[in-house]
Amino acid sequence: GAVVSQHPSRVICKSGTSVKIECRSLDFQATTMFWYRQFPKQSLMLMATSNEGSKATYEQGVEKDKFLINHASLTLSTLTVTSAHPEDSSFYICSARDPGRGVNEQFFGPGTRLTVL
Amino acid sequence: TQLLEQSPQFLSIQEGENLTVYCNSSSVFSSLQWYRQEPGEGPVLLVTVVTGGEVKKLKRLTFQFGDARKDSSLHITAAQPGDTGLYLCAGAESSGSARQLTFGSGTQLTVLP
Repeated sequence: GAVVSQHPSRVICKSGTSVKIECRSLDFQATTMFWYRQFPKQSLMLMATSNEGSKATYEQGVEKDKFLINHASLTLSTLTVTSAHPEDSSFYICSARDPGRGVNEQFFGPGTRLTVL
Repeated sequence: TQLLEQSPQFLSIQEGENLTVYCNSSSVFSSLQWYRQEPGEGPVLLVTVVTGGEVKKLKRLTFQFGDARKDSSLHITAAQPGDTGLYLCAGAESSGSARQLTFGSGTQLTVLP
């Protein structure tokens, strides 16, 4: 149980285009999902908390107009990187909490490698 | 903001050796998780500890939560090349509606055959 999928796993795009990344909880409903960014050999940096049916909460320094988050259902959250630039190239990972579990565990998707040319 | 200091940052050892990774904070956590991440993949949950002084074992891995719930350790016995990866500790705050996790800086472990 507690499986999270992410799509696509890898994307290469030209500078100025927008890229959408999907995060799905496959066997549980997630009212809260999280989006992280990770640079090589570094830990995870929380970008935003995605709340089903309401606006996402962004961490300090993360542009909400740049990184659009939509959590339209209990099993799907999307992150759209708008007008992507080379500095947006990174590994993006989502996670989801299973409210059926009593502790604050997060289950992670496999990540999306974004390369902006 | 709660901070988690993880040490060592990098560790390279020979197969068969033992090792310990530490995760320390000045703050109290309601629970603490350990994850392992391999290149190009998402972190995989190894264990969750919730009670001060708790010890959990997962095959050759032993996890301990400090009595005050401010620190944790991961001990690997007889490390194998398959243990290679980035180990991350993450603490959950005792309050806060978002229930975010605070991640440690990670320990990159390399086990040489």
